[in-house]
Amino acid sequence: DGGITQSPKYLFRKEGQNVTLSCEQNLNHDAMYWYRQDPGQGLRLIYYSQIVNDFQKGDIAEGYSVSREKKESFPLTVTSAQKNPTAFYLCASTPGLNTEAFFGQGTRLTVV
Amino acid sequence: AQTVTQSQPEMSVQEAETVTLSCTYDTSESDYYLFWYKQPPSRQMILVIRQEAYKQQNATENRFSVNFQKAAKSFSLKISDSQLGDAAMYFCAYISGAGSYQLTFGKGTKLSVIP
Repeated sequence: DGGITQSPKYLFRKEGQNVTLSCEQNLNHDAMYWYRQDPGQGLRLIYYSQIVNDFQKGDIAEGYSVSREKKESFPLTVTSAQKNPTAFYLCASTPGLNTEAFFGQGTRLTVV
Repeated sequence: AQTVTQSQPEMSVQEAETVTLSCTYDTSESDYYLFWYKQPPSRQMILVIRQEAYKQQNATENRFSVNFQKAAKSFSLKISDSQLGDAAMYFCAYISGAGSYQLTFGKGTKLSVIP
């Protein structure tokens, strides 16, 4: 079945450590996205990528980095520079312009 | 920049009754698309309904329908015959029709269904 797979579902890290969240899609979608979800804040865009080897900052990119070496994969690294990294992270993809997004099941990151 | 506002952080409805969730948006564009997403306790985001701004007819998907008022920039979601499985967070979202990749989301409305 086609879809978006995020792993792991739960992730615990110590403060000051970088951590990478995985996102893989087999929908053959061109664009991929990372959103952060906090209670009462809705979904805020961190980074997005329209094509391989290209990506743009979203509204809250500080403290995060991404890469897009393959069409299927769009990993997100939460760096030690991110002040408050504990959150729920959602990866999404779209087949093109002006379309709805398809989402993975999310990763809950807890930094202690 | 476009903004999407959901003014009801929480709502509740009796099972089998009808409820309407509100959404307003701010844009200077005439071509755009609007969506309602459902996020149940599993946290999987599910597309509920889609509306193209150029279409005057309100979108409908089974028990879910929208009231799209373009001039008022309003896009409410009506859920008829509410079921326990409708309990979830509901997010309104906007995307420009001018070749955009970016969805803008509201902050969500938490819907509870009372048996």
